[in-house]
Amino acid sequence: GAGVSQSPSNKVTEKGKDVELRCDPISGHTALYWYRQSLGQGLEFLIYFQGNSAPDKSGLPSDRFSAERTGGSVSTLTIQRTQQEDSAVYLCASSARGWQGFGAQYFGPGTRLLVL
Amino acid sequence: GNSVTQMEGPVTLSEEAFLTINCTYTATGYPSLFWYVQYPGEGLQLLLKATKADDKGSNKGFEATYRKETTSFHLEKGSVQVSDSAVYFCAAYSGAGSYQLTFGKGTKLSVIP
Repeated sequence: GAGVSQSPSNKVTEKGKDVELRCDPISGHTALYWYRQSLGQGLEFLIYFQGNSAPDKSGLPSDRFSAERTGGSVSTLTIQRTQQEDSAVYLCASSARGWQGFGAQYFGPGTRLLVL
Repeated sequence: GNSVTQMEGPVTLSEEAFLTINCTYTATGYPSLFWYVQYPGEGLQLLLKATKADDKGSNKGFEATYRKETTSFHLEKGSVQVSDSAVYFCAAYSGAGSYQLTFGKGTKLSVIP
């Protein structure tokens, strides 16, 4: 079946502008995650959604970052007043919940964000 | 919280050489362990996983064994190919309370003919 999809694949924006990144998880996966991959920082967890539960926002680096997940499926990560240090690849992942808990996470291709 | 430490690269090997990429973790309890691979220009792909002590994950000729006594999950392959050139990430997932994956910093492998 279809994997995790993300859009846009690339985004170039000017410092101070807002950006929205979209993620479509694998159908049937109840858990959705956002990570950030940047040079020198590796992969950082940003936020986690599970069903209708309150999201785990513990990884968001500042209050300029927010995310929502509508209808338990598609998610949007919003970065307000972008800064140059926000430049990175933003990765979305989803996973299914089995009887042992959550299984492996499957990643989308990422959105490469460049803030000028 | 969890932490994952993997050997720093880059690692350069000749084709058919033996590969080991070390990975150790610190965690509360017994986390599930994963290796992900990122080929040039592509996204992260799950390579293999192990969910409990002494489990061996394997895929595409790669293997890793969950060693509780040494808190390790080293990645091995007996004979690497040029097509194995990629960045490899070790990751741990506690599954209890914190559902995020904690990643190592990645090890870049280059295989030369």
